[in-house]
Amino acid sequence: QVQLVESGGGVVQPGRSLRLSCAASGFTFSSYGMHWVRQAPGKGLQWVAVIWYDGSEKYYADSVKGRFTISRDDSKNTVYLQMNSLRAEDTAVYYCARGHRSGIDFWGQGTLVTVSS
Amino acid sequence: DIQMTQSPSSVSASVGDRVTITCRASQGISSWLAWYQQKPGKAPKFLIFAASSLQSGVPSRFSGSGSGTDFTLTISSLQPEDFATYYCQQANSFPLTFGGGTKVEIK
Repeated sequence: QVQLVESGGGVVQPGRSLRLSCAASGFTFSSYGMHWVRQAPGKGLQWVAVIWYDGSEKYYADSVKGRFTISRDDSKNTVYLQMNSLRAEDTAVYYCARGHRSGIDFWGQGTLVTVSS
Repeated sequence: DIQMTQSPSSVSASVGDRVTITCRASQGISSWLAWYQQKPGKAPKFLIFAASSLQSGVPSRFSGSGSGTDFTLTISSLQPEDFATYYCQQANSFPLTFGGGTKVEIK
């Protein structure tokens, strides 16, 4: 069965960096685009970034463009989110998710990132 | 960016009720719309794609309709496990955007 397991969350000071990882299993990872979506405490869902199945294209939300970088390592079935220059407003649960032709079909359990001094 | 507006933001209903949630896009998105269900402390669950196609394993009491800018999610007979927050999301263009959510509560 499809499994997505995020790791790397934690408490970080404003302006610092953090890298999230998402280990995928149960499907042919190299055939799927992968997304990161976040949810601030008590708030709705906000899409963050996507990487194409072959890594050829990447797109970002305006709020993270220039600060966050999505990447993938198909040899490890893992997608990453490098987050630099973190701000308090980046505090959220970050979900790794598998792309579908019309949406996002499988989600990880999420990892909490707290940006606070 | 395409803005997605859901209404209502919350609805109180009883088991067995028919519930309809509306989602409006700020510009036409054809049928590039998905619906998700999220329960507290859990990841979202993919319910419907392409506006009206039911994801595998989703009960048939869930249905979606619409195209262009106006869409609906209908739960034909609300069950206890359906009390949750529902989100629409446009898949027409990046950045992907979600509606603000509709919380379905027990009356």
